[in-house]
Amino acid sequence: QKEVEQDPGPLSVPEGAIVSLNCTYSNSAFQYFMWYRQYSRKGPELLMYTYSSGNKEDGRFTAQVDKSSKYISLFIRDSQPSDSATYLCAAPLFGNEKLTFGTGTRLTIIP
Amino acid sequence: EADIYQTPRYLVIGTGKKITLECSQTMGHDKMYWYQQDPGMELHLIHYSYGVNSTEKGDLSSESTVSRIRTEHFPLTLESARPSHTSQYLCASSEFGRGSHEQYFGPGTRLTVT
Repeated sequence: QKEVEQDPGPLSVPEGAIVSLNCTYSNSAFQYFMWYRQYSRKGPELLMYTYSSGNKEDGRFTAQVDKSSKYISLFIRDSQPSDSATYLCAAPLFGNEKLTFGTGTRLTIIP
Repeated sequence: EADIYQTPRYLVIGTGKKITLECSQTMGHDKMYWYQQDPGMELHLIHYSYGVNSTEKGDLSSESTVSRIRTEHFPLTLESARPSHTSQYLCASSEFGRGSHEQYFGPGTRLTVT
């Protein structure tokens, strides 16, 4: 079983819709979680990270962690065509250099 | 502007050739990383470095080697390229300490070995 699981999609939604991207994880030692956005032919860029259970908001983006069910989510409000990208969730192990990544969900926002 | 650079962006090369993928950062970061990414697959860490003269192997077995002679420079070398090395290679860097998990990535090098 992979430590971080993510539905690869692809996911297509109309512009303006609310997008929900999700990951599950199996390792209880993960303490915080990150979302990266990767445009085609580019490297991933850090979008958000969250340390604890609950919500963290940044503009149109909200990251949510539910440690009881080992479930992490990224919500995008008022989605724009420029949000079309692959979104990767990731989690580090404390004291470890490794970031464990999900496979990424490819998102397309249709104008 | 602080950034992380990779060259070349694309490389097509024949089997058996020696290649070096370049990575440089002006972020002032101590830690640097190399990842391998195949389509539809998660990123796999192949090498990392804590600083000058420090190199460590990551989770994914790789026939590549790395060096860290200068803080800002972390090249990856394949002594003899094979078709199985065809992949996207991503370089990243991060601060030391609490911010070390916030990794900043370069644009990647897409390598094709024929």
